[in-house]
Amino acid sequence: SQTIHQWPATLVQPVGSPLSLECTVEGTSNPNLYWYRQAAGRGLQLLFYSVGIGQISSEVPQNLSASRPQDRQFILSSKKLLLSDSGFYLCAWKGGYDNSPLHFGNGTRLTVT
Amino acid sequence: QKEVEQDPGPLSVPEGAIVSLNCTYSNSAFQYFMWYRQYSRKGPELLMYTYSSGNKEDGRFTAQVDKSSKYISLFIRDSQPSDSATYLCATNNPFGNEKLTFGTGTRLTIIP
Repeated sequence: SQTIHQWPATLVQPVGSPLSLECTVEGTSNPNLYWYRQAAGRGLQLLFYSVGIGQISSEVPQNLSASRPQDRQFILSSKKLLLSDSGFYLCAWKGGYDNSPLHFGNGTRLTVT
Repeated sequence: QKEVEQDPGPLSVPEGAIVSLNCTYSNSAFQYFMWYRQYSRKGPELLMYTYSSGNKEDGRFTAQVDKSSKYISLFIRDSQPSDSATYLCATNNPFGNEKLTFGTGTRLTIIP
């Protein structure tokens, strides 16, 4: 069966510091990979998605970036965090075929102080 | 108009009651529909997945899709305190199958 790992679970970082969140998927190949952000009381905001190694689509212009160095690895980064980057970050995957559902990791709660 | 509209609640019902959660969507080209359950400080968990009009049942949960009205529902029978969570509906984006469109979620509390 497929599993998705996301770490760390919680993170407190000062403004201006770098960020690296990592996500890996097991039990599947060629998945589509996603980074979402969920602000308190708000819906899911799609940040980035990737349909293959090195292929990144950005949905929202910001100081975050994403990379996919391996088929089942997705990384969310920032060179300098802003207070507004605080939130709940979710990695997700779906099969690379039509009509497959999305599966989420357990998220990283980021607090920028 | 948002592509998917969902009443944010909060919704509180007594234990054992039938819960009805609803979403409407605007694009008749949407093809498949999902319900997710999200506990506090956890990622959303896929609960139900359907791609046609009608009902799909899984235990105490029933997902209903009415494509003519662009209306989707999730019914929870014999609700339990463990059902207390935020429920999100989702559908595919016909202009990009890589992306799903989510409702904002309904916060549900089952009162023992």
